[in-house]
Amino acid sequence: DAGVTQSPTHLIKTRGQHVTLRCSPISGHKSVSWYQQVLGQGPQFIFQYYEKEERGRGNFPDRFSARQFPNYSSELNVNALLLGDSALYLCASSLLTGNTEAFFGQGTRLTVV
Amino acid sequence: GDSVTQMEGPVTLSEEAFLTINCTYTATGYPSLFWYVQYPGEGLQLLLKATKADDKGSNKGFEATYRKETTSFHLEKGSVQVSDSAVYFCALRGPNSGNTPLVFGKGTRLSVIA
Repeated sequence: DAGVTQSPTHLIKTRGQHVTLRCSPISGHKSVSWYQQVLGQGPQFIFQYYEKEERGRGNFPDRFSARQFPNYSSELNVNALLLGDSALYLCASSLLTGNTEAFFGQGTRLTVV
Repeated sequence: GDSVTQMEGPVTLSEEAFLTINCTYTATGYPSLFWYVQYPGEGLQLLLKATKADDKGSNKGFEATYRKETTSFHLEKGSVQVSDSAVYFCALRGPNSGNTPLVFGKGTRLSVIA
């Protein structure tokens, strides 16, 4: 079975641009969460989606948005990129929200120059 | 809010040495506790977990016991290998309320030398 897949694996953007990151959860998983991992730090929660609805949001500016599609895949969008947005963006899927095991993808490494 | 504090690294050990990585947490109620491992250039992999007090999680020779009285979840391994070199993250997930994201520590980098 395929695990959580994220695309692209790496990308470089210029300040002020927009970026879209994509995530496909494990088959059967209906919950997708996004985390930002800045170099040398632990992942920080950005969003959680379940059944196409936002179920949680971390302390990130409105430049960050996300959505979940009927097939449970998800997109994370970041507008007006800043140098500080450079990070590894991780997607995690789980069967349900709450206390269930989360499975992480390999992440998308975003570099803003 | 909920938080996790891990010992700062890097930790450098010789092969077959004993490993302890300390982790303490602050949370309301009874969270679930996790250790994740991140190998170079990869995402996070769940190493072990414990969902209630006194539970012991174990996997691949690693162990951690959920200690409610000391709010700790220290990671241990009796004999490390070079292949254990990675960054280890302690994390918690609050009691099930439907919206409980993982809260991570800053990570501890382990280097094992032959």
